[in-house]
Amino acid sequence: DGGITQSPKYLFRKEGQNVTLSCEQNLNHDAMYWYRQDPGQGLRLIYYSQIVNDFQKGDIAEGYSVSREKKESFPLTVTSAQKNPTAFYLCASSIDWRDEQFFGPGTRLTVL
Amino acid sequence: KNEVEQSPQNLTAQEGEFITINCSYSVGISALHWLQQHPGGGIVSLFMLSSGKKKHGRLIATINIQEKHSSLHITASHPRDSAVYICAVSGGYQKVTFGTGTKLQVIP
Repeated sequence: DGGITQSPKYLFRKEGQNVTLSCEQNLNHDAMYWYRQDPGQGLRLIYYSQIVNDFQKGDIAEGYSVSREKKESFPLTVTSAQKNPTAFYLCASSIDWRDEQFFGPGTRLTVL
Repeated sequence: KNEVEQSPQNLTAQEGEFITINCSYSVGISALHWLQQHPGGGIVSLFMLSSGKKKHGRLIATINIQEKHSSLHITASHPRDSAVYICAVSGGYQKVTFGTGTKLQVIP
């Protein structure tokens, strides 16, 4: 079955630690995205990648980093510089930027 | 003012009722998306449309480009339709703007 996987579903970290969230897709999509969702707010774009070895900052990239070494994978690192990292993180992919996005199940990160 | 506004924010309906969720946007768009988010958090794309009307099962989405308005209708609602429905618009290059969602609860 084709789809997007994110792991883990729940993640707990201590303040000051970096943490990496996984996102893998087997849909052969070129474009991948990371969003953050907070209560009462719409999804906000953190980073996106149109193609392997290329990525761009979204609206709220500060305190985050990404890599796109393989077409299938787009991991997100939440660094200690992110002031308020506790949130629900969603990864998505699409054939290209003009197309419908397919979402992963999300990772809920709690920083203690 | 948000670029994408949804109404109502919360909606409770009896099973079988006809439901309408509205979305207004203030920017030029290339497409509008309706998404469904279940309590577990996963998001499913329901519709992507740029004009007219689309239907899938009991769900109907319409868009009026001139009025910058879209509606999502659910006919014969069922408790399994309970979810958050999110409107999003694709505008400029790589830009998708999301509404804050409408939380729907359908009571048996």
